[in-house]
Amino acid sequence: DAGVIQSPRHEVTEMGQEVTLRCKPISGHDYLFWYRQTMMRGLELLIYFNNNVPIDDSGMPEDRFSAKMPNASFSTLKIQPSEPRDSAVYFCASSLAGLRSLFFGSGTQLSVL
Amino acid sequence: GDSVTQMEGPVTLSEEAFLTINCTYTATGYPSLFWYVQYPGEGLQLLLKATKADDKGSNKGFEATYRKETTSFHLEKGSVQVSDSAVYFCALSGGNQGGKLIFGQGTELSVKP
Repeated sequence: DAGVIQSPRHEVTEMGQEVTLRCKPISGHDYLFWYRQTMMRGLELLIYFNNNVPIDDSGMPEDRFSAKMPNASFSTLKIQPSEPRDSAVYFCASSLAGLRSLFFGSGTQLSVL
Repeated sequence: GDSVTQMEGPVTLSEEAFLTINCTYTATGYPSLFWYVQYPGEGLQLLLKATKADDKGSNKGFEATYRKETTSFHLEKGSVQVSDSAVYFCALSGGNQGGKLIFGQGTELSVKP
């Protein structure tokens, strides 16, 4: 298996632009997680899905952030409009119920200028 | 709520030194405990895990024992190598967490030749 695949690896955009991050989980996994990592705040859970249904989005910073999972093999995290304080590394992870071990993608380094 | 506390870094050691990174947790019920490692520019990778009290997780020379009486899961390695330089995260997954992991803030390890 190729593991969790995220795209793009790097994204540089200007304040106010829309940003879309993409994730393909490991085939067969039924949980998908979006995390954000910064030096100041560490690793923060933004939202997670179970069987494509959002379970907990309490970590989503504000209405500018939205996430979807239209099917078991694809998820997006969208920021509209983006702000400089959104600059961070965004990780997607997936897992299989019962194992409780998360498998992380390589992350998307987002820079909002 | 559930939480994980790790010793602050950075931890700087010489090659072949003994490593301990402390981790304590607060949780209701009986969580599973994990150590993840993050190498520069990469996502987190599962290093080891333990699912019940007194279990010892081990991998690549690293070990950690699930101590319920002290609510701890300290990471140890007898002889570190330069290639062990990374950030180490302790995490827990409880029965009421719905599949998500709660991470500590991470401890940076730097091993000098």
